[in-house]
Amino acid sequence: AQKVTQAQTEISVVEKEDVTLDCVYETRDTTYYLFWYKQPPSGELVFLIRRNSFDEQNEISGRYSWNFQKSTSSFNFTITASQVVDSAVYFCALSDLNRDDKIIFGKGTRLHILP
Amino acid sequence: DSGVTQTPKHLITATGQRVTLRCSPRSGDLSVYWYQQSLDQGLQFLIQYYNGEERAKGNILERFSAQQFPDLHSELNLSSLELGDSALYFCASSVAGQSEQYFGPGTRLTVT
Repeated sequence: AQKVTQAQTEISVVEKEDVTLDCVYETRDTTYYLFWYKQPPSGELVFLIRRNSFDEQNEISGRYSWNFQKSTSSFNFTITASQVVDSAVYFCALSDLNRDDKIIFGKGTRLHILP
Repeated sequence: DSGVTQTPKHLITATGQRVTLRCSPRSGDLSVYWYQQSLDQGLQFLIQYYNGEERAKGNILERFSAQQFPDLHSELNLSSLELGDSALYFCASSVAGQSEQYFGPGTRLTVT
């Protein structure tokens, strides 16, 4: 069965600190996508990244970076020099490339960036 | 702005009633997905349509149904509503299967 676990329910950090959001996934499939979405207080879901299971290269986009490790089934997300605007709920998600297109979401991590 | 539109933005209704949520996908997208976000269940996939046909089904209740019309917009029908159906309902669209899904702003349903 497919499953995404975000063990951190809620995190609070002071602005400008770095913060890492953990994501561990389970799947029996060899080909899949991993995602991160941001849900700010306004409620919409904002796509951040999609990573193919064949590509284990880490990715950096501005203050955001992602560490994909197949050996530990983890896809962690780091925000460097956090800002108050980063306050949101962040969802890690998984989609199987061989079955259907549905996205399986983790429960989310609520991130508070304190000024 | 993802290009996916959902109406209405908010909906308040009573138990036992029936409502219809509407979704217009991004121009050119053939696939439409519906997700439910509730406090206890989190974000869950409900159903997917591709070019008018049902493609995949998730944890969708029998009281719920959906369809995709020839112009590719989709409707999610929720009937015999219960308090527990109160949630944020998202629609997403993609060009085809296995491609990036773009989410709409959601419809917040409150059942009283």
